[in-house]
Amino acid sequence: AQSVTQLDSHVSVSEGTPVLLRCNYSSSYSPSLFWYVQHPNKGLQLLLKYTSAATLVKGINGFEAEFKKSETSFHLTKPSAHMSDAAEYFCVVSSMTTDSWGKFQFGAGTQVVVTP
Amino acid sequence: GAGVSQSPSNKVTEKGKDVELRCDPISGHTALYWYRQSLGQGLEFLIYFQGNSAPDKSGLPSDRFSAERTGGSVSTLTIQRTQQEDSAVYLCASSPRLAGIPYEQYFGPGTRLTVT
Repeated sequence: AQSVTQLDSHVSVSEGTPVLLRCNYSSSYSPSLFWYVQHPNKGLQLLLKYTSAATLVKGINGFEAEFKKSETSFHLTKPSAHMSDAAEYFCVVSSMTTDSWGKFQFGAGTQVVVTP
Repeated sequence: GAGVSQSPSNKVTEKGKDVELRCDPISGHTALYWYRQSLGQGLEFLIYFQGNSAPDKSGLPSDRFSAERTGGSVSTLTIQRTQQEDSAVYLCASSPRLAGIPYEQYFGPGTRLTVT
């Protein structure tokens, strides 16, 4: 079984300040983890992914995330928010086993607002 | 290269009518997925295709929903006798299907369905 919890439904940040989006997961097996971003009226775009290589993963647009197995977390960060970062962000867990084809389990999403 | 495309982008239909939603995956992607995104409901998995077969259709909400994929490429999601609760954005995604690890999914822009 697998699940993912995004700890904040809304995050508001000022332009130029750091962004932190929190994600905790549960998985019986070694998971793959992803962060996607969805801008208004758009499809989902992959920001970054973790698939058991380096625990610190760098993605597009200055985002990065760190896989912490002991804390079952995969938090997304960016040092300096830009107005274009205003969007909804989804954390995703997926585990491929003999019984599972690797279905994506999406978190509920975090809406990010960036103020000037 | 070309991404995942979906048509139509918007569809307004009357309650009780049938609708067909189309998805063109990225060329060469063997796996295809349908999701539904409703306001306040997050992303809901509907069905997964590998080639033309659907190993997992567990997310289809009722027997009014069906999907097929032909030629290992285009997929159609059909909703019969539409109800107002079917109003949502229907997202399609595709991915290559490499053994061993869950591969990232590439999403289309979605079809916004409104049932009046």
